[in-house]
Amino acid sequence: ETGVTQSPTHLIKTRGQQVTLRCSSQSGHNTVSWYQQALGQGPQFIFQYYREEENGRGNFPPRFSGLQFPNYSSELNVNALELDDSALYLCASSLGKGQETQYFGPGTRLLVL
Amino acid sequence: KNQVEQSPQSLIILEGKNCTLQCNYTVSPFSNLRWYKQDTGRGPVSLTIMTFSENTKSNGRYTATLDADTKQSSLHITASQLSDSASYICVVSAFSGGYNKLIFGAGTRLAVHP
Repeated sequence: ETGVTQSPTHLIKTRGQQVTLRCSSQSGHNTVSWYQQALGQGPQFIFQYYREEENGRGNFPPRFSGLQFPNYSSELNVNALELDDSALYLCASSLGKGQETQYFGPGTRLLVL
Repeated sequence: KNQVEQSPQSLIILEGKNCTLQCNYTVSPFSNLRWYKQDTGRGPVSLTIMTFSENTKSNGRYTATLDADTKQSSLHITASQLSDSASYICVVSAFSGGYNKLIFGAGTRLAVHP
């Protein structure tokens, strides 16, 4: 176990709805990265938060947004859900925003109907 | 465009046999290369990490190689076990713009049969 937890484990939503996914990072880690993993594909980088500020972003539209809290836990919010948003959402925490190893949580599986 | 390609897409081997998974990448600027193991429905777990100057790294029955000139890496699994059944993902890091961007391959799905 990596010490990174995510909630919920599974979620079913309908098109147009909004969703919030949560991540608790490993103790002492100040950086959280979020990834989207479609079935049979590798994870795609959504964004990274370092000490409560967005530190980098992948090719995802603005309806994907996030937050990092003072205790370094994090949320991923997705508005106006689309069918293609169905995926496993992974968060990973690390000691810093550099080359430190990222430790992944178990993921939240989102199904959009 | 930064890309990581893996082969084969899937592989079936018998318990006790060896296998080798391949990874080719075009990522710049190269920072390091990791192999992750991902069990179904779980998050990836790091197996090995190699920087530009390293060409081999072992972790138990897992041995990774890196050829930075040809931009190729391999993961060799020795004496496979049923618990090795998982997806193996090659991940290349590019550190630029103040953050460490991970570029993931699509993975090789390995099934070890008794």
